[in-house]
Amino acid sequence: RKEVEQDPGPFNVPEGATVAFNCTYSNSASQSFFWYRQDCRKEPKLLMSVYSSGNEDGRFTAQLNRASQYISLLIRDSKLSDSATYLCVVNGGSGNTGKLIFGQGTTLQVKP
Amino acid sequence: EPEVTQTPSHQVTQMGQEVILRCVPISNHLYFYWYRQILGQKVEFLVSFYNNEISEKSEIFDDQFSVERPDGSNFTLKIRSTKLEDSAMYFCASSALEGLEQFFGPGTRLTVL
Repeated sequence: RKEVEQDPGPFNVPEGATVAFNCTYSNSASQSFFWYRQDCRKEPKLLMSVYSSGNEDGRFTAQLNRASQYISLLIRDSKLSDSATYLCVVNGGSGNTGKLIFGQGTTLQVKP
Repeated sequence: EPEVTQTPSHQVTQMGQEVILRCVPISNHLYFYWYRQILGQKVEFLVSFYNNEISEKSEIFDDQFSVERPDGSNFTLKIRSTKLEDSAMYFCASSALEGLEQFFGPGTRLTVL
């Protein structure tokens, strides 16, 4: 099983649509979970941290299911500017090690 | 808003040459990292650094690689004898505490000919 697994997509959606991305991770000892966004040939930019209770930031909602080792990201009311690759990221190893393990990314294309 | 900076943005070198990639982490951060991303592939961890020593390194980070914090602001990655397969985007990142969010610099694109 891959350390962090994501559906690569691409997801092609119209503006205003709701889209959901899923991710699974293999290391049950992981403590920190994140969604990053990466535009073409640019650096990963932190979108949000993911907490056990779930968290929301504007149009973005992240959920974590530790029992299933599953993380999700929901984007409501998609904008053209949301077009990017979304990276599921988990800290590797035991405890709160700083080493981040990245998924391959899910590509989103929002069309007018 | 404070940010991580990296220089140069693009480095072209001949196989076997040494390169030094430079990073200035966010000023009050204590943990520093290097990652790389080969074109079309995922971001991969190379090394973490705290309190002037390596905390953790990956299998990729072999004897050809070294890191240093030569002064209070810079954090460098040296590749002693570059190989063709070292061609990638190298990202520096920093965080205030271990396990917290990491903020990435814009990257250095290394091309080995």
